Amino acid sequence: GENVEQHPSTLSVQEGDSAVIKCTYSDSASNYFPWYKQELGKRPQLIIDIRSNVGEKKDQRIAVTLNKTAKHFSLHITETQPEDSAVYFCAARTLGPILTGGGNKLTFGTGTQLKVEL
Amino acid sequence: DTGVSQDPRHKITKRGQNVTFRCDPISEHNRLYWYRQTLGQGPEFLTYFQNEAQLEKSRLLSDRFSAERPKGSFSTLEIQRTEQGDSAMYLCASSLDRGTYEQYFGPGTRLTVT
Repeated sequence: GENVEQHPSTLSVQEGDSAVIKCTYSDSASNYFPWYKQELGKRPQLIIDIRSNVGEKKDQRIAVTLNKTAKHFSLHITETQPEDSAVYFCAARTLGPILTGGGNKLTFGTGTQLKVEL
Repeated sequence: DTGVSQDPRHKITKRGQNVTFRCDPISEHNRLYWYRQTLGQGPEFLTYFQNEAQLEKSRLLSDRFSAERPKGSFSTLEIQRTEQGDSAMYLCASSLDRGTYEQYFGPGTRLTVT
C-alpha cells in the first residue's frame, strides 16, 4: 500500500520568512496530493491540492510542487504570518473508480508542526 | 452549519464497554470516510462508503469495529469491547464522487478509554 513520509516534523520560522515542507510517497499510481492544515483541537482543512498531471500550483502565499519521477511533493508558504502556525499534513491518493484500480482513501504523512515567531 | 457534523464530540468510556459514534456528511455528498487520529500522527484511514455500500476497509478495522450507512446519509461507527488502545480522535469526512473529490472533515469524536 501507499506510504507517505513527511519532513520536518517541526519547523520554526520568523514572521515574513518562507517555510517549506517536503513529502515523499511510494505508490507510483497515486495521482492526487492534498495538503491539510490542522489547528489545535480543530478539524483538518484542505489548503491546496495538486494532481499528477500538474507540476506546480499556487494560491496566493501557498504553492505546491510535484516531482512524479522522484515521487516527492512540497508545500511552500511565503511571507509567513503568525496565523500560519498549525500542523500541516500531506497526503496521497489514487483517484478514479475503484473497479479500475482507483481507491479513495487518503494516506497521510505524520505532520509538520509549523511555528511562526514574531 | 452545512459542514460535516459528528456526535458526540467527546466520549469517555470504561474498558470493555461498547461505544457508537455518528457522522452526518454534507447533504449532497455520496462518499463518506472514517479515519482515526492519535496524538502527533496524521489521520489513518479506517473505512469508506459510496452511498450505503461499504467499499473499502483498512486492516486497522478489527472485528470489534463496525460501520454502517444504512440509508446512504448519516453513518455510525461502533466499537465493541473497547480497549485502551482505541483511545483516539475519530474523524469523519465526506466528498462527492466527481470533480475534485475533495474530502471535508468533521470536528471529530475524541474517545478516551479508561
